[in-house]
Amino acid sequence: DARVTQTPRDKVTEMGQEVTMRCQPILGHNTVFWYRQTMMQGLELLAYFRNRAPLDDSGMPKDRFSAEMPDATLATLKIQPSEPRDSAVYFCASGFYNEQFFGPGTRLTVL
Amino acid sequence: AQTVTQSQPEMSVQEAETVTLSCTYDTSENNYYLFWYKQPPSRQMILVIRQEAYKQQNATENRFSVNFQKAAKSFSLKISDSQLGDTAMYFCAFGASGNTPLVFGKGTRLSVIA
Repeated sequence: DARVTQTPRDKVTEMGQEVTMRCQPILGHNTVFWYRQTMMQGLELLAYFRNRAPLDDSGMPKDRFSAEMPDATLATLKIQPSEPRDSAVYFCASGFYNEQFFGPGTRLTVL
Repeated sequence: AQTVTQSQPEMSVQEAETVTLSCTYDTSENNYYLFWYKQPPSRQMILVIRQEAYKQQNATENRFSVNFQKAAKSFSLKISDSQLGDTAMYFCAFGASGNTPLVFGKGTRLSVIA
C-alpha cells in the first residue's frame, strides 16, 4: 500500500530553534508539494518540486524557510529560526497525473 | 488566480440520511480538475472523489457523488446513507491541468448524528 510518509508527526520547539521536516513521496511520483494548514489561512501552498527541481516557492517566507529535494525519495522543509507564528500543520503531498496524495502531516508548535 | 468558496462552515446530518456540501470556484482555465478531500480528527487528508472538467458525467465513488455544473462553476458533494465515520472536515479543491498546486476552500465541518 503506497503512501506518503512524513516525520516527525509532532514537533514542539522553542522560538529561535531550527526545525526540519521530512517527507518520503510515493515511489514513481514526480511532483512533491508542501502545504501549510492553519485555522486562519486554511490550506496554502508553500513550495513544490517536479523531478526534484523547485518550481514555485513563492508561498514561503524566504528569510527563514527553505525546501529541498536531495533525492527522489526525500523532500525536506526547514525553518530557521522558528517563530510562534509558524505553528501549524505542515503537509507533504505526492502528485502523479493530476492527483495528489497527502502524508499524515507534521504538527509544529513553536513556543 | 483561482478561488474556491465553500459557503457552509458547518453542517449536520442524521445517520443514514443524505447530505449535500456546496462548493463554487472561479477560474479562467478550460482544463482543470476538482476534488473533495476528507479530513477526520486524525488530520489525514483523504481523497474522496475527483472530477475532470472535460467530462460531462458526474463522478461517483460508492456513497459519494458529485454534481458538477461547469457553466455555473459549481461542484457539490452528495453523501448518501451517511455514516458516523463520515464525520470530518471536507475540503473542496481546484487543480489546473498539469499536476499543479491545489487551491482549497475553507472547508465544511460535517457532523453525522446517531
